[in-house]
Amino acid sequence: QKEVEQNSGPLSVPEGAIASLNCTYSDRGSQSFFWYRQYSGKSPELIMFIYSNGDKEDGRFTAQLNKASQYVSLLIRDSQPSDSATYLCAVNSGYSTLTFGKGTMLLVSP
Amino acid sequence: GAVVSQHPSRVICKSGTSVKIECRSLDFQATTMFWYRQFPKQSLMLMATSNEGSKATYEQGVEKDKFLINHASLTLSTLTVTSAHPEDSSFYICSAKAGEGTDTQYFGPGTRLTVL
Repeated sequence: QKEVEQNSGPLSVPEGAIASLNCTYSDRGSQSFFWYRQYSGKSPELIMFIYSNGDKEDGRFTAQLNKASQYVSLLIRDSQPSDSATYLCAVNSGYSTLTFGKGTMLLVSP
Repeated sequence: GAVVSQHPSRVICKSGTSVKIECRSLDFQATTMFWYRQFPKQSLMLMATSNEGSKATYEQGVEKDKFLINHASLTLSTLTVTSAHPEDSSFYICSAKAGEGTDTQYFGPGTRLTVL
């Protein structure tokens, strides 16, 4: 059974700091990896996707993928209170469906 | 780009009635759409995968006769909760894949169902 693990948190960081969110997955054949942000009471919103080992940057967000370690992370630079949300890691293992982690709650304090 | 809408955003119904939720891809054609359910403070649970013009594939434990899915066009999928009961009260969210060459899913805003 494919599994995606995330620390549920909450991860608390002060405003302006770097928030580091981590995710591990069980299926070594996984091909693509996604980070979604979900505000309370709202649906998930795509932040980034990454397919290749290494880093991918988009604005304040950097996704990092290490397939050998089966590990993917999301860094948020200059964290803002508006970044406070639950961050979902999702993995596609070659089929149509995504396997979601349970999410990490991030709290950014002013 | 890749906007997905859902209607209604919120619905309250009496126990025993049926409720239909629509999911539309507004600026792309979605050959595959997905239906999720999320209970408070819990993770997303995939209910079914809907492919245009064919029967939906339901996840284990999801009753296909209770949760009817129709994907009649490349931009519209519907979920009908039949004979709804209070335990069906949840946040129902659809997502759509923007084409066969991608596995990125874009989510609709969700429908909050309350069954009295």
